[in-house]
This record gives sequence, structure tokens and C-alpha cells, in this order.
Amino acid sequence: ETGVTQTPRHLVMGMTNKKSLKCEQHLGHNAMYWYKQSAKKPLELMFVYNFKEQTENNSVPSRFSPECPNSSHLFLHLHTLQPEDSALYLCASGSGSPGELFFGEGSRLTVL
Amino acid sequence: AQSVTQLGSHVSVSEGALVLLRCNYSSSVPPYLFWYVQYPNQGLQLLLKYTSAATLVKGINDFEAEFKKSETSFHLTKPSAHMSDAAEYFCAVGEGGFQKLVFGTGTRLLVSP
Repeated sequence: ETGVTQTPRHLVMGMTNKKSLKCEQHLGHNAMYWYKQSAKKPLELMFVYNFKEQTENNSVPSRFSPECPNSSHLFLHLHTLQPEDSALYLCASGSGSPGELFFGEGSRLTVL
Repeated sequence: AQSVTQLGSHVSVSEGALVLLRCNYSSSVPPYLFWYVQYPNQGLQLLLKYTSAATLVKGINDFEAEFKKSETSFHLTKPSAHMSDAAEYFCAVGEGGFQKLVFGTGTRLLVSP
């Protein structure tokens, strides 16, 4: 298996649920990212990890909690979300080459 | 802070016609600029990038972009559109060591037969 894999591809949850998104990369990269893609808005960078250490938190609400146990895996733990959090959540990994990110297909989240 | 502006949320062309997608950037330092493409139900894929070498950059699938400092632009072009080019295209500028990308709002390219 190659590239960046995200699971689940689709998730529907209530505002009181707790769920997690998973990202796995098989490219040997040391940087991993979470982006949020909402309709008619630019992609929003949420978190950046380099060598498992969080190097960027772009003022993301605490109801989103990232976890990076190793350079190949990245999680986004979700709890008490709001309907406006419904979006496509994209994971990416970076090779170190400037701006060259490899994206997964995304997890489509719907919060009811 | 750096930013990019993409003019036109939708661009429609006929198959075989010239494709022109516009991007203007704002940056206080020499920018690194990128175009990404997102096909339906897929993640983003790098098309091409400008990193202060040649101002005319060639990418995959015959796309190219020209960096024009005087116009602060990095427009994406393709001489002849193909049906398979229908997708959403994102312009981005790199900052913070260039591992962080700031994206535009995207332009959806529609190609008609």
C-alpha cells in the first residue's frame, strides 16, 4: 500500500459523540498535517507535526485533539463537535521538499 | 502574512480551448508558489511549483504557470483543455519554512464537449 490513507472516508456523528479520524502514510515522510476543507472557503491548516512533535496549532478549538504516535500515523480525535464543524478533513504528509505535500482522499464529516 | 487570491470560483471552457486560471499573491518575501488539483472525491495533488528558479514552470498534464513579480501573479494555463481536466484547482503560497501552505479558495474548471 502506498501514499496517504485516511479512514473512515465518511463519518456522521451527533454533537455528543466521540470519534476519531485516522491517517497513515507509507511514504517515509517526517511531517504530517491536518487541513479542514469547507465549501467556498480556503483550505484551513489545523495542525502540523514534524518528527512526531506538534509544531503548529492554528488556533483550533480544543474539541479537536490531534495525536501523532509515530511519523507514519496521525489521528484527529473529535468530541462535542458543532454542526459548523462539518467539512472534509484532509491529511497530508510532507517530504521536506518546499511545499510538496501528499494528500489523502479525506474524511467527510457530518455533525448532526 | 502571505495570501493568494483566485479570481473566479468557476471557469468554463470547451474541449480543445485554452485554459487560464488566475492567481495573485501577496507576500513580503520572495514567494514559493504552487498549483494543486483536486479531482472529484480525491485529495489534492501537486501540479507544479515555483521556487525562484525559472519563471515559467511546467507541470503535469501540459499545465504551466508563469511567475510575474511585477503583477504579483502566478496564472495557470494549458493550451488545449481535455475533458479529464475538469477538477478544482488551488493556488497556494508557502510560508514558515515552506512546509506550511496558504491556499486560495479554489477555481472549479468545467470542460464541455
